[in-house]
Amino acid sequence: LAKTTQPISMDSYEGQEVNITCSHNNIATNDYITWYQQFPSQGPRFIIQGYKTKVTNEVASLFIPADRKSSTLSLPRVSLSDTAVYYCLVGGSGNTGKLIFGQGTTLQVKP
Amino acid sequence: GAVVSQHPSRVICKSGTSVKIECRSLDFQATTMFWYRQFPKQSLMLMATSNEGSKATYEQGVEKDKFLINHASLTLSTLTVTSAHPEDSSFYICSAIGLAGIAGHEQYFGPGTRLTVT
Repeated sequence: LAKTTQPISMDSYEGQEVNITCSHNNIATNDYITWYQQFPSQGPRFIIQGYKTKVTNEVASLFIPADRKSSTLSLPRVSLSDTAVYYCLVGGSGNTGKLIFGQGTTLQVKP
Repeated sequence: GAVVSQHPSRVICKSGTSVKIECRSLDFQATTMFWYRQFPKQSLMLMATSNEGSKATYEQGVEKDKFLINHASLTLSTLTVTSAHPEDSSFYICSAIGLAGIAGHEQYFGPGTRLTVT
């Protein structure tokens, strides 16, 4: 399974756009990139998933360059409630769906 | 999105006793379920992969005789912590992949179970 590297922590202010970049140099051809959000004492919540180029949903955008060795989660206009840990995971159908969590990025949104 | 539930949400037990945690996929059939453990301020650690009707696959370092996993149906997996000790106190989280989920790899997580062993 490809290893991921993310910043340990980030600070932002309400209303700003936040971009969290994840490196996954050893991503395999059939791997997808998935981002999860976790609040204290809760299970991770699915944010977005992509394979290549750009994916957008109602809460975030995911940018994946052509070489797929990194990805960037973009959260538009964050609020205090977006303070959480964000995990970038890489995995694909070839490994039965197993996901290995890295340390994640702790995002602190300030007023 | 798909919903995964866990029961109980928190449990306190005495050292030496066994505790069972249930993980259910409420609105989809889960071919594969996963069990994770998370200690305070740390990331999730995968313990085992559970497939319906077959034996669970445990990650290196996880004692299969201590953490018994049963995936009896496409909507239920159970984790039993046998002879629990204080060091087993942790936040246990399950996740599930639906029948149509493997290709997209979308995994849905339960709310977690807080286990405290006294």
